[in-house]
Amino acid sequence: EVQLVESGGGLVKPGGSLRLSCAASGFTFSSYTMNWVRQAPGKGLEWVSSISSSSSYIYYADSVKGRFTISRDNAKNSLYLQMNSLRVEDTAVYYCARGNSWYPHFDYWGQGALVTVSS
Amino acid sequence: EIVLTQSPATLSLSPGERATLSCRASQSISSYLAWYQQKPGQAPRLLIYDASNRATGIPARFSGSGSGTDFTLTISSLEPEDFAVYYCQQRSNWPLTFGGGTNVEIK
Repeated sequence: EVQLVESGGGLVKPGGSLRLSCAASGFTFSSYTMNWVRQAPGKGLEWVSSISSSSSYIYYADSVKGRFTISRDNAKNSLYLQMNSLRVEDTAVYYCARGNSWYPHFDYWGQGALVTVSS
Repeated sequence: EIVLTQSPATLSLSPGERATLSCRASQSISSYLAWYQQKPGQAPRLLIYDASNRATGIPARFSGSGSGTDFTLTISSLEPEDFAVYYCQQRSNWPLTFGGGTNVEIK
């Protein structure tokens, strides 16, 4: 059974940093594109970032470029999102999602990690 | 950036009725469109990928159609568990984008 479990969410002040992790199991992690998608409270879904299976290719949404860094450790079956210079508008549930190809649809999702940016 | 426009924003229907949801892309995306279902407090679930392919375990009452710029998700006969928000998403170009969602509510 495919499982994705996010951790690391919490409350942080504007300008602060946070690192999200996603632990994957039930599939060959090193073979899949992995992604972060977020959802602000009461709003729709927003793609944040994608990383290819070998970390060769990485894309970011313009809204987070230069502030967020996606990475993965295939030996640990883990995906990460380092979030720096956080803004109030980054407040959201952050989902880890598996991609079904390099230009992905998202076929499995974690339960989400809430990040709240507030003073 | 490819903009996806979903309509209607809200669809009020009764169980057993047919639901037809629309997603229009600002430029051609071939068949690179997916549909997701999201219930309150839950993560989204993939229903349809590449416009017309049902994801694993998705009931046959869900079907997708379309190509180019106009796409449709049809639920042939609404079950109580189908009342939720539905999103479309394109994978034709970066950045990946989602539509704003359609809320299918009980009439």
